[in-house]
Amino acid sequence: QQQVKQSPQSLIVQKGGISIINCAYENTAFDYFPWYQQFPGKGPALLIAIRPDVSEKKEGRFTISFNKSAKQFSLHIMDSQPGDSATYFCAANGDSGYALNFGKGTSLLVTP
Amino acid sequence: EPEVTQTPSHQVTQMGQEVILRCVPISNHLYFYWYRQILGQKVEFLVSFYNNEISEKSEIFDDQFSVERPDGSNFTLKIRSTKLEDSAMYFCASSSRDRGLSTNEKLFFGSGTQLSVL
Repeated sequence: QQQVKQSPQSLIVQKGGISIINCAYENTAFDYFPWYQQFPGKGPALLIAIRPDVSEKKEGRFTISFNKSAKQFSLHIMDSQPGDSATYFCAANGDSGYALNFGKGTSLLVTP
Repeated sequence: EPEVTQTPSHQVTQMGQEVILRCVPISNHLYFYWYRQILGQKVEFLVSFYNNEISEKSEIFDDQFSVERPDGSNFTLKIRSTKLEDSAMYFCASSSRDRGLSTNEKLFFGSGTQLSVL
């Protein structure tokens, strides 16, 4: 059973454009929604995270939008740069569990 | 920034052999985890560990797997009799908290050990 569904699988964006990655979840007990960035040969690194008491969180060029009623959240990367090219994973966790449930990942390529 | 250190970076083993993957979590962290990532697939939770015992484990973490904190700094994952399908990148992670992670608290991942079972 896939707890967190992520789309698209891959994304190509021109430099300066907006990258948007979407995730949906089923478990209403989830209350922590992080996004991780992974470069080849490296472990995932926390990029930004949100709790469902807010609908949006912004850190620099990265914004999470959260829709609790739709059980969806998305990552927006503004002014995308070639250095943003990486795999992005959404994840979810609830107070009843220790595990982070990851989406399948989105491979982002930002072209010059 | 503090780092989680994993050794070795690559491990090749024969099917049926035992392997031990090693991790040094961040020094003041108390919660430790193993995740794995099969090539091209999502990161999957294996096990969490706190206060010298397993807190939670997934269906993947069967009797072939065990974890140990043999001293004050190392955290190990042992696979007793490796199978072909155990081939994956294994990530160790640590945090200062487990459940109820705030948006300002991080789960730090190591760079992983690529395990290849032949």
